[in-house]
Amino acid sequence: DIQMTQSPSSLSASVGDRVTITCRANQGISNHLSWFQQKPGKAPKSLIYGASNLQSGVPSKFSGSGSGTDFTLTISNLQPEDFATYYCLQYKSYPRTFGQGTKVEI
Amino acid sequence: EVQMVESGGGSVQPGGSLRLSCAASGFTFRSSWMDWVRQAPGKGLEWVANIKYDGSEKYYVDSVKGRFIISRDNAENSLYLQMNSLRAEDTAVYYCSWSLNSWGHGTLVTVSS
Repeated sequence: DIQMTQSPSSLSASVGDRVTITCRANQGISNHLSWFQQKPGKAPKSLIYGASNLQSGVPSKFSGSGSGTDFTLTISNLQPEDFATYYCLQYKSYPRTFGQGTKVEI
Repeated sequence: EVQMVESGGGSVQPGGSLRLSCAASGFTFRSSWMDWVRQAPGKGLEWVANIKYDGSEKYYVDSVKGRFIISRDNAENSLYLQMNSLRAEDTAVYYCSWSLNSWGHGTLVTVSS
């Protein structure tokens, strides 16, 4: 199975900050990576697919990059509604595997 | 509007069975891969299974192989997850997802004696 390691597991930030979350795969996954946002008690929301493609309706403050084994999610101009837990997911092979999550807190 | 509505969750004793359903609308279900993903209380996301649009391919995470069966009814725009031999570690919110792009609200499964 492909292991996905996210870092950090949590971070503290302020409104207006720019934050970067990293996801590393233990083997190459090309660009078969998605990012999700999840708020407490809610279903996950897809933000990015194909490592860098924004889902329809997702604001451009979210951006993704990377290929192979190392990927990043960057959130610019952090707003109160962006405080949530973020997950990466690889869909290069089965079983699909998620990172352990990064909680973005105030 | 894309919508998935899960149902069928509840409390069951270890060793028991449950069948989850997901009613989908707002997209071409019969042309879409569908997934089940779960989340144990206070834990991260775990992909469980998916099924090809025509039902000809199915994939599972190892921990549920031989116990869970994913299926679909394209005439009814419905996805199912038959869960047998349930264990305490299967306790989670189960989400139905359209190709991991759109998600339902989830249904809670609790396995406890």
